[in-house]
Amino acid sequence: KNQVEQSPQSLIILEGKNCTLQCNYTVSPFSNLRWYKQDTGRGPVSLTIMTFSENTKSNGRYTATLDADTKQSSLHITASQLSDSASYICVAHYGNNRLAFGKGNQVVVIP
Amino acid sequence: EPEVTQTPSHQVTQMGQEVILRCVPISNHLYFYWYRQILGQKVEFLVSFYNNEISEKSEIFDDQFSVERPDGSNFTLKIRSTKLEDSAMYFCAVRMAGGTDTQYFGPGTRLTVL
Repeated sequence: KNQVEQSPQSLIILEGKNCTLQCNYTVSPFSNLRWYKQDTGRGPVSLTIMTFSENTKSNGRYTATLDADTKQSSLHITASQLSDSASYICVAHYGNNRLAFGKGNQVVVIP
Repeated sequence: EPEVTQTPSHQVTQMGQEVILRCVPISNHLYFYWYRQILGQKVEFLVSFYNNEISEKSEIFDDQFSVERPDGSNFTLKIRSTKLEDSAMYFCAVRMAGGTDTQYFGPGTRLTVL
């Protein structure tokens, strides 16, 4: 079954600290993997995209990694800011532009 | 990044009523998608639409659902007879022709069925 699992479900971090979010996926045939940021009441916005051959991709303070062998990905947030409070969704693209969504990592940054 | 708007932002309806959710892409897109997200759950694929016809649909997209692009611009999702379990956020997504397969999501419509 094509699915994506994320952990932790939620976490609270102090402003300025770093955090890492985990994603495991099982999709076939794999196309690429994206991390989306979803603010409360808004649609998901793409942060990073990685294909099978890419191991690391950065977008500002966001760094995503991909291990295609173990089918794992992570999103690292550096020097967190209050505006980073959101749900971070791991999405695996597969087949004919199908998307498998994770449930999201709910991040709350507190001052 | 292409801009996608959705109307209404929030729709409250009685069970059994019909609702129409609208998606208005600003740029010229060819591929359209509808997703839903029940509160606290994953985003789920409903249907994809290309060249004025459904290209793929999920098991969720039953006979109660329909999509169309009546005026060549707005992309609509109709739920004929809403049920309590249809309460969710409904997201429209669009994709440009050629090259990247990035889907751009609209802000969503929150549907509440009473």
